[in-house]
Amino acid sequence: GQSLEQPSEVTAVEGAIVQINCTYQTSGFYGLSWYQQHDGGAPTFLSYNALDGLEETGRFSSFLSRSDSYGYLLLQELQMKDSASYFCAVRASSASKIIFGSGTRLSIRP
Amino acid sequence: SAVISQKPSRDICQRGTSLTIQCQVDSQVTMMFWYRQQPGQSLTLIATANQGSEATYESGFVIDKFPISRPNLTFSTLTVSNMSPEDSSIYLCSVARTSGIYEQYFGPGTRLTVT
Repeated sequence: GQSLEQPSEVTAVEGAIVQINCTYQTSGFYGLSWYQQHDGGAPTFLSYNALDGLEETGRFSSFLSRSDSYGYLLLQELQMKDSASYFCAVRASSASKIIFGSGTRLSIRP
Repeated sequence: SAVISQKPSRDICQRGTSLTIQCQVDSQVTMMFWYRQQPGQSLTLIATANQGSEATYESGFVIDKFPISRPNLTFSTLTVSNMSPEDSSIYLCSVARTSGIYEQYFGPGTRLTVT
């Protein structure tokens, strides 16, 4: 089976940096994706890591350690509009689908 | 990316009835998926809609309850049959490019309330 763990809630201050962690257990592993979802909106794709290391896209970066079955999403220069839920998702090697984590609700204070 | 529309955006239905949700994509895609999401919860995959063949259902979801059609590469429907209040949820369709199943694009969702 597959399981993903991420914190349910994270609070940060505008302008700061926040890291959202995700640990996973899968039978086989292709890669880790991250999605953002604002209240009332649809999930939107942020990033994907198939190999170890850091991928940077503007203010957002995503990291993967395959040996530790661990990844994180790093958000820099936080803005109020970054308040949303963030989901990690994994694709197991034998499946044509991805499985989503339970989501982390990020709240940003002025 | 892909532009995806869903109809209806929301509906309130009586128990025992059925609702068909439509998903339209602005370009041809191989893989389409249907998810369910309770407010504040994660996304649960219902099934993969395969063009030209039967949908592939996840554990806990059956074709009699959630029949899916995929008549072409830009359109799919999900029917929620014989509804009960437990079916109240947000239903989302998504698409993925052939080489990028990890990168999915979602429709705006259909908010269903069953009374």
